Amino acid sequence: EPEVTQTPSHQVTQMGQEVILRCVPISNHLYFYWYRQILGQKVEFLVSFYNNEISEKSEIFDDQFSVERPDGSNFTLKIRSTKLEDSAMYFCASRQGQQNTEAFFGQGTRLTVV
Amino acid sequence: GQQVMQIPQYQHVQEGEDFTTYCNSSTTLSNIQWYKQRPGGHPVFLIQLVKSGEVKKQKRLTFQFGEAKKNSSLHITATQTTDVGTYFCAGDNFNKFYFGSGTKLNVKP
Repeated sequence: EPEVTQTPSHQVTQMGQEVILRCVPISNHLYFYWYRQILGQKVEFLVSFYNNEISEKSEIFDDQFSVERPDGSNFTLKIRSTKLEDSAMYFCASRQGQQNTEAFFGQGTRLTVV
Repeated sequence: GQQVMQIPQYQHVQEGEDFTTYCNSSTTLSNIQWYKQRPGGHPVFLIQLVKSGEVKKQKRLTFQFGEAKKNSSLHITATQTTDVGTYFCAGDNFNKFYFGSGTKLNVKP
């Protein structure tokens, strides 16, 4: 069964450092998303991406964040200067169509900022 | 902005008891999706409801979409320990889907 893969599974970084979280969406999917989940809390929308550009972003997705699809398969989330409050589980998701289609989530990257 | 509220936040049941979680949106939804997240895991898609008043069943799980397409419920009959996890509804709105706050279900054997 096709799946969304995320690497690394766990990243520990020092405050102020840049991190790049990587995702490989399912190959025939066109819509990509990043969500984050602070421990014990709800899953929060960060950004959606389609046709090589951001479709929508939340208030959380400020200038410290950026996304990129550098090639035909990877979808990355970069945090330029990490803060302690960026510590969370980051999930990548993809789906084939914009609406009425199932979203597939990756296993997540646990980011710990120390 | 659009908000999706979910209640209750937590539910502890004895194995064999029923469980229901409710989801309410501040705006009309084009569709609603339900996800289950096991402890330490990632959200896994359960089902999607599209039509007003739609009811769908998956074994012991019954999903309902309200007539106004602003609320939804998930009912589990005769819970089992394998049902443990957090159940999220997600309202679909073009460029993103909004997750509810989730209901964490604990089932005591």
